[in-house]
Amino acid sequence: GDSVTQKEGLVTLTEGLPVMLNCTYQTIYSNAFLFWYVHYLNESPRLLLKSSTDNKRTEHQGFHATLHKSSSSFHLQKSSAQLSDSALYYCALSDVNTGNYKYVFGAGTRLKVIA
Amino acid sequence: EAAVTQSPRSKVAVTGGKVTLSCHQTNNHDYMYWYRQDTGHGLRLIHYSYVADSTEKGDIPDGYKASRPSQENFSLILELASLSQTAVYFCASSDPYQQYFGPGTRLTVL
Repeated sequence: GDSVTQKEGLVTLTEGLPVMLNCTYQTIYSNAFLFWYVHYLNESPRLLLKSSTDNKRTEHQGFHATLHKSSSSFHLQKSSAQLSDSALYYCALSDVNTGNYKYVFGAGTRLKVIA
Repeated sequence: EAAVTQSPRSKVAVTGGKVTLSCHQTNNHDYMYWYRQDTGHGLRLIHYSYVADSTEKGDIPDGYKASRPSQENFSLILELASLSQTAVYFCASSDPYQQYFGPGTRLTVL
């Protein structure tokens, strides 16, 4: 079945340094959507960005990610971490075109930004 | 703006008791989901539904039942609550391109 792997459980960064959270996936469907959700403490998870287009950079709120189907990756990046970026980040996958809207989430990466 | 609400927002239950968590959406979405989140873990899918009066098992369905009496409402039922079911529970609805999460229910089983 489909799967999403986020190897880092916790990433601790000093403010101002670049952010890179890794996400790799497995799916048999060629037109899967990949998502990044952000979950701030005491809030609901919300969509940060999404993509289904190979090799196209997607940006939102200072974060960006590029879907690379050749390597099955969708890493989340930001040029300069801010204290307010501290949150739990989920990578997720959905095979929209099959009509099955079952989302598969990775285990999540907690980003902790320190001063 | 999409809207998913959950009730109660917080609950303390006794071991062996019955717990019902409710979710309501006004998004007109067919798909609804129940997830649990434990400290140090990500979101894990318990049950989901794509049409009223039908539910599907997710990845961790044991100890949980689900009910979808209408498109708008989706309940999660713990018939015999156990200590291990202490967690935060999130409901979500989705269109093909995004999931919309409710505010979560913090369940503590004592």
